[in-house]
Amino acid sequence: GDSVTQMEGPVTLSEEAFLTINCTYTATGYPSLFWYVQYPGEGLQLLLKATKADDKGSNKGFEATYRKETTSFHLEKGSVQVSDSAVYFCALSDPVNNAGNMLTFGGGTRLMVKP
Amino acid sequence: DTGVSQDPRHKITKRGQNVTFRCDPISEHNRLYWYRQTLGQGPEFLTYFQNEAQLEKSRLLSDRFSAERPKGSFSTLEIQRTEQGDSAMYLCASSSIQGGVRETQYFGPGTRLLVL
Repeated sequence: GDSVTQMEGPVTLSEEAFLTINCTYTATGYPSLFWYVQYPGEGLQLLLKATKADDKGSNKGFEATYRKETTSFHLEKGSVQVSDSAVYFCALSDPVNNAGNMLTFGGGTRLMVKP
Repeated sequence: DTGVSQDPRHKITKRGQNVTFRCDPISEHNRLYWYRQTLGQGPEFLTYFQNEAQLEKSRLLSDRFSAERPKGSFSTLEIQRTEQGDSAMYLCASSSIQGGVRETQYFGPGTRLLVL
């Protein structure tokens, strides 16, 4: 079945540092890929998405590129802020092979940014 | 859009009691999903509705769990005879299939359940 693997956290960075959170996936079909962010005590917020190979999703300074050849969707940000501290989830949906289009999530990566 | 809302945000109950959660999706979203998230883990799919029809249920959804979406708008998730293992965050999400096959799900704030 489909699966998503993320780098384990926590990732601890100083403010203005460069961020990379690795995400790789396994899917039988041609999935859509997502990054969601979860702040403490809250639900998930969509951060960015990409629906086909070589698409780049971007939002709030975060970027991720859909790499079909390496089955990856790594999240990057050039300069993190303390307010970026949260848990980040990589997810996929596979609408071609799964009519319900439900999301399969990775385990999450906690990011801590220090001033 | 006011976003997806869930009620209550927190619930503490004793083992063996029944609990019911409510989810109000983004208006006119025809798909509604329930997920469960345990501490330190990613969310896991439980079930989903298209309009009022429940189209798929995960094996995680034991017979103590039941979900409804009676008029294709809000949904309820009931857990009967709760167990300590049911303690988790229950997340609701909605989407619009009219947006195309590759629609995006939008999540509510979740209901955190603690079973004592």
